[in-house]
Amino acid sequence: DAKTTQPNSMESNEEEPVHLPCNHSTISGTDYIHWYRQLPSQGPEYVIHGLTSNVNNRMASLAIAEDRKSSTLILHRATLRDAAVYYCILSASGGSNYKLTFGKGTLLTVNP
Amino acid sequence: IAGITQAPTSQILAAGRRMTLRCTQDMRHNAMYWYRQDLGLGLRLIHYSNTAGTTGKGEVPDGYSVSRANTDDFPLTLASAVPSQTSVYFCASSPRRGYNEQFFGPGTRLTVL
Repeated sequence: DAKTTQPNSMESNEEEPVHLPCNHSTISGTDYIHWYRQLPSQGPEYVIHGLTSNVNNRMASLAIAEDRKSSTLILHRATLRDAAVYYCILSASGGSNYKLTFGKGTLLTVNP
Repeated sequence: IAGITQAPTSQILAAGRRMTLRCTQDMRHNAMYWYRQDLGLGLRLIHYSNTAGTTGKGEVPDGYSVSRANTDDFPLTLASAVPSQTSVYFCASSPRRGYNEQFFGPGTRLTVL
């Protein structure tokens, strides 16, 4: 499976933008880039996913490098409720071998 | 019920005992999954089911079994619990295997003594 590399932790201030990086230099052409987050004492929660183009939804934006070897999750205005572990995950969509492999993620701390 | 529910919320279990963790979803999703989460190891896939009547092994299946008699329920059974199975267990579902978004339950915290 292609691997992802994320910083162990990041810190942000409330109402400021947050850019969470992810490196995936061994990504294959069919791998989607997924982001999930896990708030304290809760199950993971889907945030966003993309393949090649940048993506936006109500929670965040995903910026994907042109060579697809890295991506950045952007929270436009961090709130205290965004404090969580953020996971960047690669997975080929479809097929019987589809799975999400969660690494250690980035622990985001949001300061008031 | 809305989404995925898991029961029990937490459990302390003596080693050697049999335990079934329950998972129910009301979204009519075809695919369901069981993960375990351990400190420093992230989430690891135990078993999955692509559709009712089928199951498959994930990354760490040993010591666990699952069944999928219907669309809504996906119980995980520990036939003879061991301390290394102390973990937080998450059930998840998605409309189909390979769908990009998985929906997770609140988790079951299991301690095996």
